[in-house]
Amino acid sequence: EDQVTQSPEALRLQEGESSSLNCSYTVSGLRGLFWYRQDPGKGPEFLFTLYSAGEEKEKERLKATLTKKESFLHITAPKPEDSATYLCAVQARGTDKLIFGTGTRLQVFP
Amino acid sequence: EPEVTQTPSHQVTQMGQEVILRCVPISNHLYFYWYRQILGQKVEFLVSFYNNEISEKSEIFDDQFSVERPDGSNFTLKIRSTKLEDSAMYFCASSIATDTQYFGPGTRLTVL
Repeated sequence: EDQVTQSPEALRLQEGESSSLNCSYTVSGLRGLFWYRQDPGKGPEFLFTLYSAGEEKEKERLKATLTKKESFLHITAPKPEDSATYLCAVQARGTDKLIFGTGTRLQVFP
Repeated sequence: EPEVTQTPSHQVTQMGQEVILRCVPISNHLYFYWYRQILGQKVEFLVSFYNNEISEKSEIFDDQFSVERPDGSNFTLKIRSTKLEDSAMYFCASSIATDTQYFGPGTRLTVL
C-alpha cells in the first residue's frame, strides 16, 4: 500500500536556527513527490515538485531533496513567517491522486 | 497570479440535507480534483475529473457524492444526503497536466 510518513510531527525553532523535515514514502513507482505549506484553516500552497532521486529544488529559505525512499525539506535561517504545517504528498504511476502525510507543524519563534 | 477559488467558505447544514460546494479552477487547467481534510487528519483524495468525466475516485466517494462541470468555469461537488461524518474541509484542486495540483482555500462543511 502506498503511504507517506512525516517526521517530526511538530518542530519548534528559534529564528535563524536551521533544521530539516523528513518525508518517508513507499509507493509502487514514484511519479512525483510534492511539498506544500498549509496555514491554519487554509488550503495547501504548492512549494516544490520532485520527480527523481538526486533532484533538488530551492526557493528562498527552503530546499527540497529526494532519494529513493525519502525526501527532506531543509529550512535555512527560518523566520517567524515560515511557521506553518508542511505537507508531503506522493503520486504513484498510473494514478492522478496525491497521497498525503500528516504533516510537520513548524513554529519559529523570534 | 491565477488561483483556484471556492465558495462558500463555510457551509452549515442539517444532517440529511443536500449541499453543493463550488469551485472555479485555474482557467487553462484541464484536470480537476476534490479532496477533504477532517479536523486534525490527513488530506484525503476524493475524486479526479478530466474531459467531463470522472477519471478516478476513492472509496470515500460513494453514491452520495457526485461532481459536475456545469459550464466552462465551475466545478461542483454535491453531497446528496449529508451525514455527521461528512463534516470536514473540502478542497478543490486543478492542474494543467496530471502533475502539480494547485489547491483552493477550501470550504468548511459543518453537518449538524
